[in-house]
Amino acid sequence: QKEVEQDPGPLSVPEGAIVSLNCTYSNSAFQYFMWYRQYSRKGPELLMYTYSSGNKEDGRFTAQVDKSSKYISLFIRDSQPSDSATYLCAMSLYNQGGKLIFGQGTELSVKP
Amino acid sequence: DAGITQSPRHKVTETGTPVTLRCHQTENHRYMYWYRQDPGHGLRLIHYSYGVKDTDKGEVSDGYSVSRSKTEDFLLTLESATSSQTSVYFCATTGSGANVLTFGAGSRLTVL
Repeated sequence: QKEVEQDPGPLSVPEGAIVSLNCTYSNSAFQYFMWYRQYSRKGPELLMYTYSSGNKEDGRFTAQVDKSSKYISLFIRDSQPSDSATYLCAMSLYNQGGKLIFGQGTELSVKP
Repeated sequence: DAGITQSPRHKVTETGTPVTLRCHQTENHRYMYWYRQDPGHGLRLIHYSYGVKDTDKGEVSDGYSVSRSKTEDFLLTLESATSSQTSVYFCATTGSGANVLTFGAGSRLTVL
């Protein structure tokens, strides 16, 4: 069993839809939770960063962490074709720097 | 990808040949990482460096070595490439041990 599980999709939605992306994890010691966005043939780029539990909002994006359920989510409101990309969840232990554990990534396509 | 240059961007090689991938950064970041990305596995850490001549192994280090003789350069070497090392390799950096990574554009390696 992988430490971090993410549904690979692909996920296809119409423009304007609300998108929900999720990851589950098994290690309750994870403290830092991230979402990266990766366009085709590019490197991942940080989208959202959360420490411990709670919600964080940035424009159309909301990240949620539920440590009791070992479950994190990324919501995209009013999705746009430019949101079409692969979304990777990542997490790390305390004081581990850039030693991240990634999910498999979910491929999202937003159709005009 | 600003500040991180990976070379070569694409390489096709034969089984048993040595391969070196280069990561060059202009951010003066102390920490550098090599990840590989494969379908179904997300990104997995190969090796990382926390300073010049200071390196350590990651999750999937077998068959790989690294060197860092200057702050700006981090080399990943496959001494004798195998088909299982066909992958996309990403270099990443972070300053001061933070866990927010900046990734390069990737090097796509095919081992025939």
